[in-house]
Amino acid sequence: EAAVTQSPRNKVAVTGGKVTLSCNQTNNHNNMYWYRQDTGHGLRLIHYSYGAGSTEKGDIPDGYKASRPSQENFSLILELATPSQTSVYFCASGGDRNSGNTLYFGEGSRLIVV
Amino acid sequence: GEQVEQLPSSLIVQEGASVLINCSYTDSASVYFPWYKQEPGKRLQFIIDIRSNMERKQNQRLTLLFDKKTKHLSLHITATQPGDSAIYFCSASIMDNNRIFFGDGTQLVVKP
Repeated sequence: EAAVTQSPRNKVAVTGGKVTLSCNQTNNHNNMYWYRQDTGHGLRLIHYSYGAGSTEKGDIPDGYKASRPSQENFSLILELATPSQTSVYFCASGGDRNSGNTLYFGEGSRLIVV
Repeated sequence: GEQVEQLPSSLIVQEGASVLINCSYTDSASVYFPWYKQEPGKRLQFIIDIRSNMERKQNQRLTLLFDKKTKHLSLHITATQPGDSAIYFCSASIMDNNRIFFGDGTQLVVKP
């Protein structure tokens, strides 16, 4: 099965601090995604990537940057964390013909900004 | 962009009951509809999908129905078990740009 791993799994950050969430996939999928999950909002797409060097804005990109330095790694960066960014963040890979169009998710990163 | 709506937002049933989760979408360009299950504290996992050239797909106790004209899907789960307790997500994909849009999820609780 596709393996997507996220780190850290849990993070407490201070307002104004920088946070980097990392994601690694070992399945050679071209596409990778970052979602946040909040009660009442389901999954909302923040950034996604079609391959190394590519980053695209999703539906709620404000306050977030993304970096895809390699096929395997996709990072989400909060340069100035705010309490409104407290959430659970999920990385996923796949969503293309290479993966049968299925998304494979990581276990999530719980971020609390105080 | 595409909007995906799920109803109901939550369901509580007794073990053995059948449940129906409804999903609608807005963009007629969407052609692929995977569903995911998220058990408490766990990652989302793919459970079943259907493409726009199909009307029905079954996988054991799961049956997925698709109506292209009304832009509506329904997931039917029979003989529910406590292990089915999870949040179920409907999603829609246009395929050309590999964007995948999710509904807000349906929280299912199956009581033993």
